[in-house]
Amino acid sequence: GIQVEQSPPDLILQEGANSTLRCNFSDSVNNLQWFHQNPWGQLINLFYIPSGTKQNGRLSATTVATERYSLLYISSSQTTDSGVYFCAVRRSGGSNYKLTFGKGTLLTVNP
Amino acid sequence: GAGVSQSPSNKVTEKGKDVELRCDPISGHTALYWYRQSLGQGLEFLIYFQGNSAPDKSGLPSDRFSAERTGGSVSTLTIQRTQQEDSAVYLCASSLAVGGHEQYFGPGTRLTVT
Repeated sequence: GIQVEQSPPDLILQEGANSTLRCNFSDSVNNLQWFHQNPWGQLINLFYIPSGTKQNGRLSATTVATERYSLLYISSSQTTDSGVYFCAVRRSGGSNYKLTFGKGTLLTVNP
Repeated sequence: GAGVSQSPSNKVTEKGKDVELRCDPISGHTALYWYRQSLGQGLEFLIYFQGNSAPDKSGLPSDRFSAERTGGSVSTLTIQRTQQEDSAVYLCASSLAVGGHEQYFGPGTRLTVT
């Protein structure tokens, strides 16, 4: 099946700093989503971005499908940004419609 | 409703008992998915439904697991004769249709088997 690798596995920032999280995948995809898992375990949708660039406030994401990677940018980080960030993809074609998740990046933002 | 809902939010059961977990998808979403999240395995796919049909059950970890969906809406995941390794958070998601559509997740059911 498709492989999804996220880096870095852990990231510690001071409030106000910027960061870039990376997601590499091993096959062509027609769905790529970024999630933030909050302290209660809820997966919050950040971006649906199988290709191109999107921005939402302090967060933005870029997916270069031809090179099989996606980047999540967090600017001016806040303590509330802390948590685990997951990248998940669905391989193009075939009949399996599942999302395959990476292992996540644990982000800690200190005041 | 506004989002995907799941019940119960927490379930503690004794080893060997059966449990039922419920998922109510976003209204109008025809596709529904079950995943589970455990410390050792991360987030893994279990099963999906297109309407009431589950074409691929290969993600279910054993024959003790089953799922059904009725009326193209609510789904129930049943685990028979629970084992300690079944302890995990069970997450449900829905999307407008299968394929490259955005999936939205519910809050999960935390299952603890003692």
